[in-house]
Amino acid sequence: KAGVTQTPRYLIKTRGQQVTLSCSPISGHRSVSWYQQTPGQGLQFLFEYFSETQRNKGNFPGRFSGRQFSNSRSEMNVSTLELGDSALYLCASSFRLTGKSPFFGPGTRLTVL
Amino acid sequence: KNEVEQSPQNLTAQEGEFITINCSYSVGISALHWLQQHPGGGIVSLFMLSSGKKKHGRLIATINIQEKHSSLHITASHPRDSAVYICAVRWRNFNKFYFGSGTKLNVKP
Repeated sequence: KAGVTQTPRYLIKTRGQQVTLSCSPISGHRSVSWYQQTPGQGLQFLFEYFSETQRNKGNFPGRFSGRQFSNSRSEMNVSTLELGDSALYLCASSFRLTGKSPFFGPGTRLTVL
Repeated sequence: KNEVEQSPQNLTAQEGEFITINCSYSVGISALHWLQQHPGGGIVSLFMLSSGKKKHGRLIATINIQEKHSSLHITASHPRDSAVYICAVRWRNFNKFYFGSGTKLNVKP
């Protein structure tokens, strides 16, 4: 089975722009969650999707949004980028919403200049 | 206040040593995860615990629900165990994840 894939792997944007990151889960997995990792704040939970519905959300501003498609692929969008949005963005997939260890993707490293 | 506290933050060990990393949390949880992150960013989920103890190879994870505490043990440590180990809990009430700040382990040959 192929693992979780994330595209792009690296991205450079400027302040004020918007960005869309993509995550393809392991085949058969229906839950996708997103995380932000920065040196200062560590890992933080962004949101979680299951069957195309957002089930949980972390404490991030509305500039951060996401969606999940019928094939379980997920995208997250960040609008009006700020310097502090520079981070490694990780997604993880699991078969069910709870009760299973997630499989993480390699991450997308976003740099905002 | 952090919902999840890990200790130690940094740990240096000699190859072959027994290692313990601790995690304490303050919220009611439905599950606790131990994650391993190697340089370059890749994260691997090592264990998911809701009670008791789990073992996988040289790794052992335990959890005490009453004391809100979990430990990750590595027996016969090896340089390839060098990584950051992160404790994560899923908060029962709102089903959200909270993460510890991580323990950076360096095992010297």
